[in-house]
Amino acid sequence: NAGVTQTPKFQVLKTGQSMTLQCAQDMNHNSMYWYRQDPGMGLRLIYYSASEGTTDKGEVPNGYNVSRLNKREFSLRLESAAPSQTSVYFCASSGAAPGNTIYFGEGSWLTVV
Amino acid sequence: GNSVTQMEGPVTLSEEAFLTINCTYTATGYPSLFWYVQYPGEGLQLLLKATKADDKGSNKGFEATYRKETTSFHLEKGSVQVSDSAVYFCALSDNDYKLSFGAGTTVTVRA
Repeated sequence: NAGVTQTPKFQVLKTGQSMTLQCAQDMNHNSMYWYRQDPGMGLRLIYYSASEGTTDKGEVPNGYNVSRLNKREFSLRLESAAPSQTSVYFCASSGAAPGNTIYFGEGSWLTVV
Repeated sequence: GNSVTQMEGPVTLSEEAFLTINCTYTATGYPSLFWYVQYPGEGLQLLLKATKADDKGSNKGFEATYRKETTSFHLEKGSVQVSDSAVYFCALSDNDYKLSFGAGTTVTVRA
């Protein structure tokens, strides 16, 4: 029962470095999401993909890019990391219907120094 | 736009106490409402949900009723345990499937 799997779990970057967070789901879900979690702010949507081949900006997309590689995989890329991107990142997926449960991965802890 | 407001924490309780976490929402359509729980060092797990007005979601002794007239979805549990210590998030999903979250409420239950 893998569900949503994201890697890496922990990463330290220097300012200006780039990296990609990988995410895969095995539930045959159409929709996938990337959120970031910061203290006192809940989770904020960075990007989402309603279906394979489409991506859309969420609430806080600046500084990020995404790729929906296929139905299973949805990656998040930081092209030039900044300390403000220090956060916990969660990938999630759901079926494409209102009210469907969204399932989350275990999170990736990213520190930019 | 959509938004969720939940009571600020942290909340500290003794075991077997009654827990209430208030949640109100603003939405343009007819949202589905959720409570997610995050245990220390883990991702978010769905605790319960309700998809239409007057629905009651329940799981693990927790309950929440979708109140359209007061735009609320308060979480309650009659007798908490130490294992209920976690961060609780209220969220809504409108017709576009995306979740909007509240800021989260940290609950600590003492033995």
